[in-house]
Amino acid sequence: GEDVEQSLFLSVREGDSSVINCTYTDSSSTYLYWYKQEPGAGLQLLTYIFSNMDMKQDQRLTVLLNKKDKHLSLRIADTQTGDSAIYFCAERGRGSYIPTFGRGTSLIVHP
Amino acid sequence: NAGVTQTPKFQVLKTGQSMTLQCAQDMNHEYMSWYRQDPGMGLRLIHYSVGAGITDQGEVPNGYNVSRSTTEDFPLRLLSAAPSQTSVYFCASSYAQGIYGYTFGSGTRLTVV
Repeated sequence: GEDVEQSLFLSVREGDSSVINCTYTDSSSTYLYWYKQEPGAGLQLLTYIFSNMDMKQDQRLTVLLNKKDKHLSLRIADTQTGDSAIYFCAERGRGSYIPTFGRGTSLIVHP
Repeated sequence: NAGVTQTPKFQVLKTGQSMTLQCAQDMNHEYMSWYRQDPGMGLRLIHYSVGAGITDQGEVPNGYNVSRSTTEDFPLRLLSAAPSQTSVYFCASSYAQGIYGYTFGSGTRLTVV
């Protein structure tokens, strides 16, 4: 089946930029998503990008999509301690209702 | 408030008991789904539905049943609880095949002893 891969952990200093990377295998991926999960909470949609886009910016968040390499990244500028959470990458193939999620990257922000 | 509502938030069951986890959404989403989240395993799809009266199995359906009699509700039934079903369960819904993303509930933390 299709797969989404993420590194498990990322540690950054407060005020630095964080870059969380994701690779996927589904060449028909149409929509790609980034979710944030804080401890004890559900998944919150941060942003999404359509496969015909290369980049999307939303305040401190920048999403880059490289379709050729099937690589998606999420950059968080000026990372704060409140950004500490698990970040999930997900993709949805053409014609499917079902998204495929990565296992999540734990972002740890230290002072 | 619009969104996905899951009840209960916490539940402890004894092995062999049955129970129903409730999920309701008020956004008229046609797609609804159930996931379980276990440490190191990410999210695993249990069952999903693309509309009222239509359900299908996901990656880990054994031991669980679902039904979708209305657009709003998608209950998950544990037939005979086992310790291996100790997990956090999330319900998610979407509109138009998820083109604007999937909305998740806040989860049900289930412990089977």
